[in-house]
Amino acid sequence: NAGVTQTPKFRILKIGQSMTLQCTQDMNHNYMYWYRQDPGMGLKLIYYSVGAGITDKGEVPNGYNVSRSTTEDFPLRLELAAPSQTSVYFCASGAVSEQYFGPGTRLTVT
Amino acid sequence: DQQVKQNSPSLSVQEGRISILNCDYTNSMFDYFLWYKKYPAEGPTFLISISSIKDKNEDGRFTVFLNKSAKHLSLHIVPSQPGDSAVYFCAARAEGDSSYKLIFGSGTRLLVRP
Repeated sequence: NAGVTQTPKFRILKIGQSMTLQCTQDMNHNYMYWYRQDPGMGLKLIYYSVGAGITDKGEVPNGYNVSRSTTEDFPLRLELAAPSQTSVYFCASGAVSEQYFGPGTRLTVT
Repeated sequence: DQQVKQNSPSLSVQEGRISILNCDYTNSMFDYFLWYKKYPAEGPTFLISISSIKDKNEDGRFTVFLNKSAKHLSLHIVPSQPGDSAVYFCAARAEGDSSYKLIFGSGTRLLVRP
């Protein structure tokens, strides 16, 4: 019973590089979410999806893109990495009232 | 503009005593509140929630109190155990068009001393 899995666990990017953070859930949840957590701050919603083919912006979407081609997968794309995107990224799935989180990806942009 | 505030970054409590974690909010449209617990190198896990139509919800050692007039909620842990040492996040959901979104506070780090 894997729940929500995220890869990679850690990544260091140079400014201007791009990468995709992977997220997969095996609970057949329609709702999925991407958050970022900066040091000393709460989680901020980047993007969310209410089902395959449907995505929408959260609080801090600039610099990111998402897609949702299947119920299970919700990848997050960074096109031109900037130091301000240094953060820990969490993927979650489930109803908004009870979200299940992955273990996170720690991303450093230098 | 922080809509959900946890003004105490840390709290230290003796094992067996009560832990009280506080959370204030500014948006009167919030209709549902949650507490999440987070251990290092793990994602947050859901702990307990409360609807705005209630003023108290209890689950074992955990009780959440909501004071709507003061826009304040608190999480009580009784008795506190060393395994409760973690960061606790308060979160709120707004009704209507924003009902898919949670707004999180900055967290309170709880240390339960043996």
